[in-house]
Amino acid sequence: SQTIHQWPATLVQPVGSPLSLECTVEGTSNPNLYWYRQAAGRGLQLLFYSVGIGQISSEVPQNLSASRPQDRQFILSSKKLLLSDSGFYLCAWTNRGSNQPQHFGDGTRLSIL
Amino acid sequence: AQSVTQPDIHITVSEGASLELRCNYSYGATPYLFWYVQSPGQGLQLLLKYFSGDTLVQGIKGFEAEFKRSQSSFNLRKPSVHWSDAAEYFCAADLSSGSARQLTFGSGTQLTVLP
Repeated sequence: SQTIHQWPATLVQPVGSPLSLECTVEGTSNPNLYWYRQAAGRGLQLLFYSVGIGQISSEVPQNLSASRPQDRQFILSSKKLLLSDSGFYLCAWTNRGSNQPQHFGDGTRLSIL
Repeated sequence: AQSVTQPDIHITVSEGASLELRCNYSYGATPYLFWYVQSPGQGLQLLLKYFSGDTLVQGIKGFEAEFKRSQSSFNLRKPSVHWSDAAEYFCAADLSSGSARQLTFGSGTQLTVLP
């Protein structure tokens, strides 16, 4: 069966520090991968998605970047964190095709001090 | 603009009572529709999905949802709520085209269950 792993589960970082959140999927190949941010009391905002290795699309201009160095690995990064980067970050995957649901990881709670 | 709306930010029901969570979408065609549930500090779990065919779909945990094209709605229901159903519920629609499927989420409905 397919599984998705995100780490770390929680992270506390000072303003201006770098960031690297990792997401890996097992049990499938060639998935579409997604990064979302969920601010407190709000819905999900799509940040990035990827349809293949090295292919990244950004949905909103921001302080973050994403990379997909391997088929089942998706990384969210920042060179210098801002206070506004605080939130709950969720990774998701889906199989290719037009009627596939997205499956989510357990998320990373990021707090910026 | 294409959107998904959940009109109720917060709903409170008593344990054993019935539940209906509302979801409306704005799109030129019938999208693929989903309901997810999120417990505090957790990711989203898929409850059910609608692609085509029977407009009443069954999901996990005793939930069901009915697609009504005329009302552009996809409301989630449960006949008898359990205390463990307390969580946040998100409606989502696939309003995208092409190979990069994207979901548009509603802003969520927080469900509180009273003993």
